[in-house]
Amino acid sequence: GAGVSQSPSNKVTEKGKDVELRCDPISGHTALYWYRQSLGQGLEFLIYFQGNSAPDKSGLPSDRFSAERTGGSVSTLTIQRTQQEDSAVYLCASSYGTATLNYGYTFGSGTRLTVV
Amino acid sequence: DQQVKQNSPSLSVQEGRISILNCDYTNSMFDYFLWYKKYPAEGPTFLISISSIKDKNEDGRFTVFLNKSAKHLSLHIVPSQPGDSAVYFCAASNSGGGADGLTFGKGTHLIIQP
Repeated sequence: GAGVSQSPSNKVTEKGKDVELRCDPISGHTALYWYRQSLGQGLEFLIYFQGNSAPDKSGLPSDRFSAERTGGSVSTLTIQRTQQEDSAVYLCASSYGTATLNYGYTFGSGTRLTVV
Repeated sequence: DQQVKQNSPSLSVQEGRISILNCDYTNSMFDYFLWYKKYPAEGPTFLISISSIKDKNEDGRFTVFLNKSAKHLSLHIVPSQPGDSAVYFCAASNSGGGADGLTFGKGTHLIIQP
């Protein structure tokens, strides 16, 4: 597609439920990133995928968070047993490799997650 | 501990004047610095970047200045236009933004007044 696509755009879930967030990167972009932005905060880096390689999961906030990327394209971020502190906007971005100097990343519009 | 700080949550500037957004960092290993602009309900959009080997980079109305000794960078927008009203994020990287991602500040909300 023309841009990074994220779904759903909004998600309200009950505390304790699992949620799955989806990211469709720009075609041909090998690098994919997940960030989250809590209210009044900057963007917090969560995880990075380069092609099909196994990601470094150390940036994920807790073991309730997991992410995968199938076929080097679409990625899903799963949050199990959601807590109220998980409420945030979850942003996905993609890029060619890690060439951020000239192009930066291209971000999607995000998924606004509200845990009630 | 915040490694990238934007100490002004908001800034109001008159249309046509210069907007100066500031950013300080603490990690001397950062070697790329980027500015992103964000409108409500949209993802951040890349604006301009600078490598640590330079002290200035210019792109149209936007100029980024880097003072490595002071660990400070600034974004200048001149002349400011109504469409520049947005939240501006400063970000830094020490790995090309790859495995360690980018470290972002909390943002400055720029308001351009007519």
